[in-house]
This record gives sequence, C-alpha cells and structure tokens, in this order.
Amino acid sequence: ETGVTQTPRHLVMGMTNKKSLKCEQHLGHNAMYWYKQSAKKPLELMFVYSLEERVENNSVPSRFSPECPNSSHLFLHLHTLQPEDSALYLCASSQDQGGGYTFGSGTRLTVV
Amino acid sequence: GQQLNQSPQSMFIQEGEDVSMNCTSSSIFNTWLWYKQDPGEGPVLLIALYKAGELTSNGRLTAQFGITRKDSFLNISASIPSDVGIYFCAGEDSNYKLTFGKGTLLTVNP
Repeated sequence: ETGVTQTPRHLVMGMTNKKSLKCEQHLGHNAMYWYKQSAKKPLELMFVYSLEERVENNSVPSRFSPECPNSSHLFLHLHTLQPEDSALYLCASSQDQGGGYTFGSGTRLTVV
Repeated sequence: GQQLNQSPQSMFIQEGEDVSMNCTSSSIFNTWLWYKQDPGEGPVLLIALYKAGELTSNGRLTAQFGITRKDSFLNISASIPSDVGIYFCAGEDSNYKLTFGKGTLLTVNP
C-alpha cells in the first residue's frame, strides 16, 4: 500500500461507546496529524506528532485521546463523544513539520 | 488566531470556462499551498508556492504567491467535469503551522 491509509472509512457510534480510528502512512514521513473537518468550517488541527512525540494539542477535549506508537501509525481513541463531534476526521503526514501534507481519505464519524 | 479568507465560497461554471479563486490574510505566510478535495476523499496537494511573487503551473492550474506574502490565487483554465470538488488554500507560517481556508466548492456543468 502507498500513501496514508485510514480505517474505518465510516463509523457510527453511540455516546457511551469507545472506539478508535487508525491511520497508517507508508511514506517514511516523521510527522503525523489529526484534523477535524466539519461542514462549512476550515480544517481544524487537533494533534501533531513529530518523531512520535506529541508537539501540539489544540485544546481538544479529553474525550479524544491520540496515540502514536511509532512513526508509521497514529490512533485516535474516542469515548463518550457528543453529537457535535460528528465530522470527517482526517489523518495527514509530512516529512518534518512543514511543506505539503499527504492526507488520508478520512473517517466519516457519526455520533448518535 | 490566524485566519484565511477564501473566495468565492462556491462557483457554478460551464465546461470550458476558466476559474479563479483566491485567499487573503492579515498574516504573512512563508508557504502557500492549494489542495483539492473530491467527495469522500481527503485533500490532495495541487500546488505549493515557496517564494513571494512565485508563479507556478501544474497542467491547467496556475497559482501565485502574492508579493505581500498575505495572499494567493489559483486559476484553472478550460475547466472539465473532473475539476469538480472543493479547493482549499493553506498558508504555512514560520512555525510550520498550517492555516486552511474554508474552501471553494466548484461545480462544472457539462
């Protein structure tokens, strides 16, 4: 596989559920990102990992918990989400922080 | 925080027409990027601009990095149906932080 792969593509979860989003990059990049994309709003940066260390957390609620076990994998653990958390969650990677990011296809999350 | 004003929000054009969209900001950026997002997919990088005044082409796409470093435009010539999608601008600051515009939804009528 090439590029950035996200699974699952679609996820419907109840507010009391716990689920995880997975991202894997096959590009040899050393930085990975989680973005939230909601309708009619700019892409919102959630988390940045550089060399497997979290370098930025943009005041994201604690019900979102990222994990970066190695430079190729990034997870977003979800628990007790709210309906307003329904959105497209995009993972991206880059070589160093800067330059063009390569995005995955996203996970369409619906919280019911 | 930094904000980008991207316009227009949406465009409806006929196949073969040229398209122009732009982004402006009150902040200076070191890099301007243009992405396209197809339905159900993530954004894909179209053009990256690294120097003020730079004019870069990628096929039918042309983009420019404004002299003031606070704006950029993207032109698409002779549009075709597969140009349909959402186009995003993004500015990268000196801390490598990306700020995205809200996007321009392009519809091309055959």
